[in-house]
Amino acid sequence: DAMVIQNPRYQVTQFGKPVTLSCSQTLNHNVMYWYQQKSSQAPKLLFHYYDKDFNNEADTPDNFQSRRPNTSFCFLDIRSPGLGDAAMYLCATSTLSNQPQHFGDGTRLSIL
Amino acid sequence: GENVGLHLPTLSVQEGDNSIINCAYSNSASDYFIWYKQESGKGPQFIIDIRSNMDKRQGQRVTVLLNKTVKHLSLQIAATQPGDSAVYFCAESYFMDTGRRALTFGSGTRLQVQP
Repeated sequence: DAMVIQNPRYQVTQFGKPVTLSCSQTLNHNVMYWYQQKSSQAPKLLFHYYDKDFNNEADTPDNFQSRRPNTSFCFLDIRSPGLGDAAMYLCATSTLSNQPQHFGDGTRLSIL
Repeated sequence: GENVGLHLPTLSVQEGDNSIINCAYSNSASDYFIWYKQESGKGPQFIIDIRSNMDKRQGQRVTVLLNKTVKHLSLQIAATQPGDSAVYFCAESYFMDTGRRALTFGSGTRLQVQP
């Protein structure tokens, strides 16, 4: 089945140690999104790629960066994770930016 | 809009009853709306959507109602089942000045189905 796959499902890192989360899709969608979701809150958009065009949300910390080497893969890099970055990170895709987004099951990031 | 608070509003219903989950959206320019279901430990799952040129849309056991006058959206679930227990998010979509679309999630409602 076509889907959005996030690896790993659970990631533990140390305070200040860089970490990379990955997302792949078999839907061939041209838009990919990264969201941060904290407990009992709605997903908050960090940034998205429209094809290779990167769009950063104004309030996304500089600590968060992203790479999209090809249509299928997108990475979230957290350069120096702080305790406040512990959250669920969700990847989503869509065909056009006005179509429903399809979400992966997320990576839960813990910071020690 | 901003998402605040640590406690989701909770709707508790008996199995077999109908559920109605409400959502107020903020942007009068929003023209596309989506309901998502999120089970524990999973990503949001698309349930149903509606465009602003409609006021009602039905799916299997679900109906979305849109009232643009008061900027209100509702999700009705018929014959609620234990498997419907989850957090439900509404989301509104609108065009930004850049010409690209933005999607903003509402704060979510937890649905608990009592057997």
